[in-house]
Amino acid sequence: RKEVEQDPGPFNVPEGATVAFNCTYSNSASQSFFWYRQDCRKEPKLLMSVYSSGNEDGRFTAQLNRASQYISLLIRDSKLSDSATYLCVVRGNEKLTFGTGTRLTIIP
Amino acid sequence: GAGVSQSPSNKVTEKGKDVELRCDPISGHTALYWYRQSLGQGLEFLIYFQGNSAPDKSGLPSDRFSAERTGGSVSTLTIQRTQQEDSAVYLCASRDRGPTDTQYFGPGTRLTVL
Repeated sequence: RKEVEQDPGPFNVPEGATVAFNCTYSNSASQSFFWYRQDCRKEPKLLMSVYSSGNEDGRFTAQLNRASQYISLLIRDSKLSDSATYLCVVRGNEKLTFGTGTRLTIIP
Repeated sequence: GAGVSQSPSNKVTEKGKDVELRCDPISGHTALYWYRQSLGQGLEFLIYFQGNSAPDKSGLPSDRFSAERTGGSVSTLTIQRTQQEDSAVYLCASRDRGPTDTQYFGPGTRLTVL
């Protein structure tokens, strides 16, 4: 079983729609959780950290359920510029473990 | 300010040759990480430095891979006797020991072994 699992997609979503990504992780001792975004042939960039209380940044909402070892990302009112691969990332001690990513394409 | 830089941006080499990849982290960042990403795959952790020491080398795929960091700054990843399966994008990231817990990635070195 992979340490971090994501649906690889692709998700093809019309502009303005809401899209949700899910992720599960296997190590219950994991300490920190993130969503990164990676554009084609570019490096990953932090989108947002994920907290147990849930957190929101504009159109983006992230949730963490430690009991279920489950992380989610919700994107509302999707824009063309949201097209990218979204990486679920878990940190244990100093090491980041990345999911393989979910590819999102926003369709005009 | 300047971000993480890596050189070269692209490297094409012949099977069996040695290659050296360089990473310049963000100034003042104490932690430095190497990852690789093969085509269509997720990021694979290779090695982590805290200062000049490497407490976690668990991700290095074979003894052909080695890395060092000097002066708590620049790091080099060396691959000896390259194989075709070494072809990937090698990404470096650095992190400050602050509350944000964020790793900042460089643009990567795309390695192609012919």
